[in-house]
Amino acid sequence: DAGVIQSPRHEVTEMGQEVTLRCKPISGHDYLFWYRQTMMRGLELLIYFNNNVPIDDSGMPEDRFSAKMPNASFSTLKIQPSEPRDSAVYFCASSISYNEQFFGPGTRLTVL
Amino acid sequence: KQEVTQIPAALSVPEGENLVLNCSFTDSAIYNLQWFRQDPGKGLTSLLLIQSSQREQTSGRLNASLDKSSGRSTLYIAASQPGDSATYLCAVSSPSGGGADGLTFGKGTHLIIQP
Repeated sequence: DAGVIQSPRHEVTEMGQEVTLRCKPISGHDYLFWYRQTMMRGLELLIYFNNNVPIDDSGMPEDRFSAKMPNASFSTLKIQPSEPRDSAVYFCASSISYNEQFFGPGTRLTVL
Repeated sequence: KQEVTQIPAALSVPEGENLVLNCSFTDSAIYNLQWFRQDPGKGLTSLLLIQSSQREQTSGRLNASLDKSSGRSTLYIAASQPGDSATYLCAVSSPSGGGADGLTFGKGTHLIIQP
C-alpha cells in the first residue's frame, strides 16, 4: 500500500480564497482523522470520521472549516474563506479502530 | 480535558549514548499511547504503539514503557546515532481528548545526536 496520500503538498493562496485539501486513506482503514500543526499550538485534532461518518468535529476552529468523506477512499477539508491565521501544516491520518494511526506527508498551507 | 506534556523540550547528546524521553498525561483513562518521529518539514512516522493493557513495547533500539496509573510513558533509545536526530512526539487516545478516538499530542522533544 502507498500509505496515506495527501494533495496538494503545498498550497499558497490569498486571503478570502477557498482552499480544498484532499486525502486518500490506507485501504481497509475505517477511521480517518484531520489534524493541524502550528508552531504555537502543536498538533491538534480537527475532525475524524468512522466508516465515512463524521464522529467529532469539536476541533474545527470555525464555520469556515468543513470536511467531507463521500466514500471510504477519499476525504476533503475545505476552508472558505481562508485567512492568514489558517496557515499551517494539515495532516490526514487513518487507522483500523483503536490502533496505530498512520499519517500522510501533510499539506503546507500558506495564506497571504 | 486531556493534556500531554513532554520533557525535555530539547536534548543534545553525543553519538552512542543511551537516552530517555519523557511523556506525561493528565487523564489516565487512555485507550493507547503512541510515539512518533517527525523529521524537519516531513510527516509523522509511527514508532511504537502501546495499548492501555500493555506495559511496554520494543522495536529495535527503541523501547517504550507505559505506567497508566501515574500517567507516564518513557521512550528509551539505545546506542543513539546521528540518524536518530528528529522531533519525537508522544500522543494519547482517550475519551477526554480532543475526540474519543483522536490523538492528543505533546509538543515534542527535539533531539540532536552529535556525531
